[in-house]
Amino acid sequence: AQTVTQSQPEMSVQEAETVTLSCTYDTSENNYYLFWYKQPPSRQMILVIRQEAYKQQNATENRFSVNFQKAAKSFSLKISDSQLGDTAMYFCAFMKQTGANNLFFGTGTRLTVIP
Amino acid sequence: NAGVTQTPKFQVLKTGQSMTLQCAQDMNHNSMYWYRQDPGMGLRLIYYSASEGTTDKGEVPNGYNVSRLNKREFSLRLESAAPSQTSVYFCASSAPKGTGDLGYTFGSGTRLTVV
Repeated sequence: AQTVTQSQPEMSVQEAETVTLSCTYDTSENNYYLFWYKQPPSRQMILVIRQEAYKQQNATENRFSVNFQKAAKSFSLKISDSQLGDTAMYFCAFMKQTGANNLFFGTGTRLTVIP
Repeated sequence: NAGVTQTPKFQVLKTGQSMTLQCAQDMNHNSMYWYRQDPGMGLRLIYYSASEGTTDKGEVPNGYNVSRLNKREFSLRLESAAPSQTSVYFCASSAPKGTGDLGYTFGSGTRLTVV
């Protein structure tokens, strides 16, 4: 079974600063996909960034980047130049490469950006 | 482009009542999912449908049934609601692996309260 752990239930960051959210996972699979989703107060789930495990290069999307450490089974999200609109719950998620496209989610980190 | 449409957005039920949550997607995705979100527990998979005509249990299927009516629609039924089913429910669909669109498209969620 796959498990995803987010050890920081809550975090805060000053506007314009940088923050890193942690995620670790446990799997016996060699190939898989990792995701970060954002859930603002509107409740909508929004895909932030995606990483394929076979790619060594860390994914980036504008102000969002990941630090993927496959051997350590770690997948952290860095948000640069934090904005008030980044205030949200952030979920890390895992998907196996083979079989069904089921996503396994962590318990989430609530991020507050302070003006 | 509606994406995934989920109804209703809010619902209050009495213990023992039944109801069906509706979900439809216009993404032409084969796979569809129902998750529940509870505080401190992230999102947990209730049921999924990898393709039209198939459904499978996820992590927390007890007390629920599903129907994949056609490629677009995937409904979730609570036959006899219990207070433990108070939660936020999300429907989602996903593109196949190997596409650049891998990841879920989520509906806007249903907040269900069972009293």
